[in-house]
Amino acid sequence: QKEVEQNSGPLSVPEGAIASLNCTYSDRGSQSFFWYRQYSGKSPELIMFIYSNGDKEDGRFTAQLNKASQYVSLLIRDSQPSDSATYLCAVNSNTDKLIFGTGTRLQVFP
Amino acid sequence: EPEVTQTPSHQVTQMGQEVILRCVPISNHLYFYWYRQILGQKVEFLVSFYNNEISEKSEIFDDQFSVERPDGSNFTLKIRSTKLEDSAMYFCASTFDGRESYEQYFGPGTRLTVT
Repeated sequence: QKEVEQNSGPLSVPEGAIASLNCTYSDRGSQSFFWYRQYSGKSPELIMFIYSNGDKEDGRFTAQLNKASQYVSLLIRDSQPSDSATYLCAVNSNTDKLIFGTGTRLQVFP
Repeated sequence: EPEVTQTPSHQVTQMGQEVILRCVPISNHLYFYWYRQILGQKVEFLVSFYNNEISEKSEIFDDQFSVERPDGSNFTLKIRSTKLEDSAMYFCASTFDGRESYEQYFGPGTRLTVT
């Protein structure tokens, strides 16, 4: 069974701090890694994707991938209260279906 | 910015009834998907669809489920005889290219409530 694991949280950080969200996956053949943000009652919104080992930056967001450790993370710099949401890690493993983790709930307090 | 749309936003039905959930994928996308999310649980893959046929389906996608692209724009999910446990948010997603490295964009979802 291919699994994607995330700490459910909540992860609480003060406004302006860096939020660090982590995800591990079980299938070594996984090729593509995605971070989605989901507000309560809403659909997943794609915020980052990464395919190669290393870091990928987009504005306040940085995705980090380490395939040897089967680990992917998302850093959010200068966190804002509007970043408060559930962050879903999703992985493709040899097919185009996405396998999602349970998500980490992030709370940014003023 | 193009987006995936879904109708209805909320569907209430009685157990045993048939429901059809509708999606309009992004216009130049070729690969289409249905996912569901039971309240408080993870998003789960149901089915993928390309070139007018199912590419892959999960164990959840049993004989009660079917998908169709009846015209050039709509993509539907039919549940023939709904059960209480079908109550969930159903999300449609699409991508331009179904190879592993292309990102999927989700619609706003249909909340299905089976009573």
